Amino acid sequence: ETGVTQTPRHLVMGMTNKKSLKCEQHLGHNAMYWYKQSAKKPLELMFVYSLEERVENNSVPSRFSPECPNSSHLFLHLHTLQPEDSALYLCASSVRLVGNQPQHFGDGTRLSIL
Amino acid sequence: SQQGEEDPQALSIQEGENATMNCSYKTSINNLQWYRQNSGRGLVHLILIRSNEREKHSGRLRVTLDTSKKSSSLLITASRAADTASYFCAPDMFSGGYNKLIFGAGTRLAVHP
Repeated sequence: ETGVTQTPRHLVMGMTNKKSLKCEQHLGHNAMYWYKQSAKKPLELMFVYSLEERVENNSVPSRFSPECPNSSHLFLHLHTLQPEDSALYLCASSVRLVGNQPQHFGDGTRLSIL
Repeated sequence: SQQGEEDPQALSIQEGENATMNCSYKTSINNLQWYRQNSGRGLVHLILIRSNEREKHSGRLRVTLDTSKKSSSLLITASRAADTASYFCAPDMFSGGYNKLIFGAGTRLAVHP
């Protein structure tokens, strides 16, 4: 148990569907992150939030829309995805954005686009 | 690229042997972190070494950092089958007003009983 919970663990959707990924952290952290992990590629940082404010949008297509309603919850809304978006989506949190901070990861959502 | 790059990409050893994984990076860093990922799971933080440290230990893990060569190594001693996982180094650089981890593609370690 890492203190970061992601749901669902697996998601299969068609290209025209709309779905959302959810992340919840029980660690009292102030910073949260979305990463994309594709096979044999480095983790790609997608979005960064600090105290519910977005501080990074790493050139992510608009079909991915993040939402951070409070410091414990992070969502990734998905719309009109492409087959190349199939990947493991990981959420992470850290105490804060600056300083020597380890990140705590959830177990991810395995997303498959048909 | 600025990311950490691990070497080798894959490593297969027998239980009881030591496993050494290397990491190179290209930018100035605040610290360097190592993570482990078991199949189908998220990343787990193993150890953080600051830029002014040269060596750090945690149980069977030993990490070294050479900022002049922009390289780090992770040594797992007396490996066990449970150590089978992917290992990632993540240089931590300050960019855009915050600390950012730049992950590599990882080293896949297989420890055979």
